[in-house]
Amino acid sequence: GAVVSQHPSRVICKSGTSVKIECRSLDFQATTMFWYRQFPKQSLMLMATSNEGSKATYEQGVEKDKFLINHASLTLSTLTVTSAHPEDSSFYICSARDWQGGSVLHFGNGTRLTVT
Amino acid sequence: EDQVTQSPEALRLQEGESSSLNCSYTVSGLRGLFWYRQDPGKGPEFLFTLYSAGEEKEKERLKATLTKKESFLHITAPKPEDSATYLCAVQAGNTDKLIFGTGTRLQVFP
Repeated sequence: GAVVSQHPSRVICKSGTSVKIECRSLDFQATTMFWYRQFPKQSLMLMATSNEGSKATYEQGVEKDKFLINHASLTLSTLTVTSAHPEDSSFYICSARDWQGGSVLHFGNGTRLTVT
Repeated sequence: EDQVTQSPEALRLQEGESSSLNCSYTVSGLRGLFWYRQDPGKGPEFLFTLYSAGEEKEKERLKATLTKKESFLHITAPKPEDSATYLCAVQAGNTDKLIFGTGTRLQVFP
């Protein structure tokens, strides 16, 4: 079945540094990818929709200058958390829609970001 | 406003004790309702998509049903390996994104 690969799975960084998270669709092309954030025991909150070859669409309340999204190819989207602070610590999950596979949204295994 | 509410928040079952999880939704023009399973520290794993009221889908011990206001995920004779958080999400007719509920944390004890 369709696979979405997310890397790294865990990252610890110091406050003020930037972190890049990669999301790849391994066996299908994804013109659209989605980035979610999940706090402990809470639901997935959509942060932004990543569109290949164009600017991402951010949800209300999400700082686009803080969370930089690049979707340069049909199989890769990246999320960069710039100038990270402890409150950015969270579980970030990407997803991509496999249109040929019944338009199912498949998820990566997430990235646990800890900012110290 | 589109909204998804799942209940119960947590459910403890004995192995073999069947039960149901509920997902109530309000959405402007349902395009699809999705069930996912999420294990700790992992991303959600797709289970089912339901598109219209009356539709049912089954996979092993799981069966998902849909009405105009809610969906149920029935678990028949669960096993410990069914322990996970089950997430429900809806897609409204005018958008490509999913709105998730907060999930039901299921624990099945041997």
